[in-house]
Amino acid sequence: AQKVTQAQTEISVVEKEDVTLDCVYETRDTTYYLFWYKQPPSGELVFLIRRNSFDEQNEISGRYSWNFQKSTSSFNFTITASQVVDSAVYFCALSDYSGNTGKLIFGQGTTLQVKP
Amino acid sequence: GAGVSQSPSNKVTEKGKDVELRCDPISGHTALYWYRQRLGQGLEFLIYFQGNSAPDKSGLPSDRFSAERTGESVSTLTIQRTQQEDSAVYLCASSLKGLAGEDQETQYFGPGTRLLVL
Repeated sequence: AQKVTQAQTEISVVEKEDVTLDCVYETRDTTYYLFWYKQPPSGELVFLIRRNSFDEQNEISGRYSWNFQKSTSSFNFTITASQVVDSAVYFCALSDYSGNTGKLIFGQGTTLQVKP
Repeated sequence: GAGVSQSPSNKVTEKGKDVELRCDPISGHTALYWYRQRLGQGLEFLIYFQGNSAPDKSGLPSDRFSAERTGESVSTLTIQRTQQEDSAVYLCASSLKGLAGEDQETQYFGPGTRLLVL
């Protein structure tokens, strides 16, 4: 069965520190997609990145970077030089192709608090 | 509007009452999903629409929950005889297409409806 595990429930850092959010997934699909979403206090999920299972290149977008490793079934997210505005709940998600729907399986989320 | 919209943003109801939650997806998006987020939890899938059809209803927790979509656009999630355990945020998402075997299109989420059952 598909599963996403975000072992870190809460992380607290001081502004300008680097922080890595872990995501480990389980799937039997050979083709799948992984996602990261940000949920700020307002509640609306904001899409951050989509990664295809065939593309293991790491990606960098400004202060954000993602490390995808199929060998360890991990898709970790690093924020460099964190800012207070990064405070939010971050969700990792896996697409579920077994039902031919593309529905997403979410992890439990990691709450990131960045203190000034 | 450019994004997914949902209404109402908040709903307080009494146990046993019926509620209807509305979702307006991004124009042109054929796939629509409903998820539920309980306090402090991740999102749980409820139902998937492709066009006006619902090929996957596997996440609906009981027969008190139903949903429909019309005009390949607006969707309504109905909860009958609400119970306190139905209290949660109900999130709607849409994507350009959601069929497996094709590019997994990104799901864009609405702001959610916070439902409180007293």
